[in-house]
Amino acid sequence: AAGVIQSPRHLIKEKRETATLKCYPIPRHDTVYWYQQGPGQDPQFLISFYEKMQSDKGSIPDRFSAQQFSDYHSELNMSSLELGDSALYFCASSLGSGSFYEQYFGPGTRLTVT
Amino acid sequence: KQEVTQIPAALSVPEGENLVLNCSFTDSAIYNLQWFRQDPGKGLTSLLLIQSSQREQTSGRLNASLDKSSGRSTLYIAASQPGDSATYLCAVSWNTGNQFYFGTGTSLTVIP
Repeated sequence: AAGVIQSPRHLIKEKRETATLKCYPIPRHDTVYWYQQGPGQDPQFLISFYEKMQSDKGSIPDRFSAQQFSDYHSELNMSSLELGDSALYFCASSLGSGSFYEQYFGPGTRLTVT
Repeated sequence: KQEVTQIPAALSVPEGENLVLNCSFTDSAIYNLQWFRQDPGKGLTSLLLIQSSQREQTSGRLNASLDKSSGRSTLYIAASQPGDSATYLCAVSWNTGNQFYFGTGTSLTVIP
């Protein structure tokens, strides 16, 4: 069965640079979630989209922005990168909006900021 | 403040033993709770999702229970195997939105 696809899997950037992470949800899933997991920490919810509209917002820094496109894939744009942004970024998708629906996670993008 | 706590942080058991992982949460008005497994450096694999109206869910050797009134969930793993070694995370959603709040996880090692 198709799973959530994230690209790239690994990304190395320097401080103050910009990064774009991509997420392709499971086919027919209309909701996408982004999470950030720092080293040794639990995942923290950043933002979610349902039918291309932002549905919920968590601890996403102002330097980050995200959107969901007409084909339901999503991109997380990160500007003015800081060392503390180094983390594993997960995307999840679900069929339907809201936590009533089971979230399926992608393998993550490991971002390293040097 | 809504928080999710998992104790213990790490657990080692011999192969074949039954074990219980604990998850506790503040504010009993949860929407649902999901248990995940995470292998080192890897993504999250969903194990079980329990809706607020449910008391338990079962999948193979796994059984998750939910007691909203006491703010607790347990994940029971029967006949543990070395392949069960991973970090187990519970995540809770409250009525306020889509987001899940994760616990810090329990790192399980099953010794052959």
